[in-house]
Amino acid sequence: AQKITQTQPGMFVQEKEAVTLDCTYDTSDPSYGLFWYKQPSSGEMIFLIYQGSYDQQNATEGRYSLNFQKARKSANLVISASQLGDSAMYFCAMRGRDYKLSFGAGTTVTVRA
Amino acid sequence: EAQVTQNPRYLITVTGKKLTVTCSQNMNHEYMSWYRQDPGLGLRQIYYSMNVEVTDKGDVPEGYKVSRKEKRNFPLILESPSPNQTSLYFCASSSLAGRSGNTIYFGEGSWLTVV
Repeated sequence: AQKITQTQPGMFVQEKEAVTLDCTYDTSDPSYGLFWYKQPSSGEMIFLIYQGSYDQQNATEGRYSLNFQKARKSANLVISASQLGDSAMYFCAMRGRDYKLSFGAGTTVTVRA
Repeated sequence: EAQVTQNPRYLITVTGKKLTVTCSQNMNHEYMSWYRQDPGLGLRQIYYSMNVEVTDKGDVPEGYKVSRKEKRNFPLILESPSPNQTSLYFCASSSLAGRSGNTIYFGEGSWLTVV
């Protein structure tokens, strides 16, 4: 069974600062993918970044980077230079060989001006 | 434009009145699934389908039915809705082919309230 753990229910960050959102996972699949999604108050799920379990380098997408530590089963999201529009709920998710996407409980980020 | 379309987006219904939430994708994806989102629990999979006429239960299938008669459509059926099915529902689809499967498309969500 797959399990995703996000231990931070909510976080505050000052505008223009960086913030790290924690995510740990548990799986017995040798091959898997890790995803981060953003969910603003309007409700839609916005894909941010993807990391494959065999990818050698940490994924980056603009201001988003994924700090992937395979041995520790950790896939933290780093948002650099936070903006007011980054205020949202953030979900970590994992997909194993059965294609099922398992989600963590989410972290609410509030960016302060 | 690649998209997953859910309808209705918002619905208030009464206990016991059957309803269907439709989901359609235009990308010829094999894999489709339904999730419900509840506070503090993230998104949990209700049902999924690997292809036409192939469906299976996810983590929280009780009270729901699905069908996959056509590749593009994957409706979620609540035969007798109850208040504990009040939730935000998402349909998602993806290819099963190699790295294409790393891109998962979500619908915009359906806010369902059962009173």
